[in-house]
Amino acid sequence: QLHLQESGPGLVKPSETLSLTCAVSGGSISDSSYYWVWIRQTPGKGLEWIGYISVSGTIDYNPSLKSRVTLSVDRSKNNFSLKLSSMTAADTAVYHCARLYSVGYYPLDYWGQGILVTVSS
Amino acid sequence: DIQMTQSPSSLSAFVGDRVALTCRASQSIGSYLNWYQQKPGQAPKLLISAASSLQDGVPSRFRGSGSGTDFTLTISSLQPEDFATYYCQQSYRTPYTFGQGTILEIK
Repeated sequence: QLHLQESGPGLVKPSETLSLTCAVSGGSISDSSYYWVWIRQTPGKGLEWIGYISVSGTIDYNPSLKSRVTLSVDRSKNNFSLKLSSMTAADTAVYHCARLYSVGYYPLDYWGQGILVTVSS
Repeated sequence: DIQMTQSPSSLSAFVGDRVALTCRASQSIGSYLNWYQQKPGQAPKLLISAASSLQDGVPSRFRGSGSGTDFTLTISSLQPEDFATYYCQQSYRTPYTFGQGTILEIK
């Protein structure tokens, strides 16, 4: 059974860069059938797509965040990471990582529970 | 971006009821539609992919239907564990957008 676990700071100051990591267990991040995804969730905007990355180097970012987002994968640690720069209060959210099956209809078949990130001075 | 609109935004029902939740896309997305269930404090769980394909382990009382722009998630006989928030998501074109959710509450 695949398990995804987000980690990182729960509090970030305005203008700083958020760094989150998603640890993957029970499966290999190198499986070419999957992409690795970040999504965030707020009461106001609901679920918002951030982007995905594959181990082969395929990357896709939400255009609304593209200028501030960087995704990366670490095969040796079986994890992947998100960096979001120039954080503001509007970036306060629960950040989820997830796995996307890249064959067929691209469902998100496993999700992490999420980590609450608050932006405040 | 493709906009996804769910209705109703909330719904109260009794255990044993049959309910239908709808999701509409702002343009045709074929069958690139997935349904998720989320309970408070938990990760979303994939129920249905490709509009109507039930995931392994998901009870058969859940059924997905539709194509193009209009989709429905039907729960044939509500069980206590089904009270949760349900989201649809299009995976036709990135960014893969979500509906705002339907909160299913026990009456």
